Amino acid sequence: EADIYQTPRYLVIGTGKKITLECSQTMGHDKMYWYQQDPGMELHLIHYSYGVNSTEKGDLSSESTVSRIRTEHFPLTLESARPSHTSQYLCASSKYGGPYGYTFGSGTRLTVV
Amino acid sequence: AQTVTQSQPEMSVQEAETVTLSCTYDTSESDYYLFWYKQPPSRQMILVIRQEAYKQQNATENRFSVNFQKAAKSFSLKISDSQLGDAAMYFCAYRSATVDDMRFGAGTRLTVKP
Repeated sequence: EADIYQTPRYLVIGTGKKITLECSQTMGHDKMYWYQQDPGMELHLIHYSYGVNSTEKGDLSSESTVSRIRTEHFPLTLESARPSHTSQYLCASSKYGGPYGYTFGSGTRLTVV
Repeated sequence: AQTVTQSQPEMSVQEAETVTLSCTYDTSESDYYLFWYKQPPSRQMILVIRQEAYKQQNATENRFSVNFQKAAKSFSLKISDSQLGDAAMYFCAYRSATVDDMRFGAGTRLTVKP
């Protein structure tokens, strides 16, 4: 069973709309991440967080923003969706340090029309 | 910065046969961790196997094993007795023990033929 949950699973939305992609984890992990991935392609890190009130931009420039008010919750927001935002968004979490891999959510497939 | 290279964008294997997926990485560190992840079509990405750089013994998880060559900076994944359910994208990843971020390769799409 997944311990990291992303909602919605699929989203089709019109250009200019504000959207928030939800990500929650129940493992108490300090570190959380957002990746953008076109289907079957490589992962691009867009945001990460090392803990509450910590957020950083990743390698890929993104017009999205994130917040980390609670350890378990790391939502991603697009203020004004555009067709270029059409992609899959993966959320992940991890313990800090050590040989731990990431636990990934099931992803949100976003289509902006 | 560390880089991870998967030189095989696509691979194909016959059911019940063995396939090896390649991965190389570039680092100046001596302490790090390596991972293989599996992403089935439209499904969650899961961890397949991990290797700690200080361990010489190659990791094994059932039908999945790695060939870790630290000096060559190579970390290949061998899948034995391939099954239809093994069809997926496979990502190699490097995690520094000091900087603590994960670097992913571009992925290899594995097709399993019945």
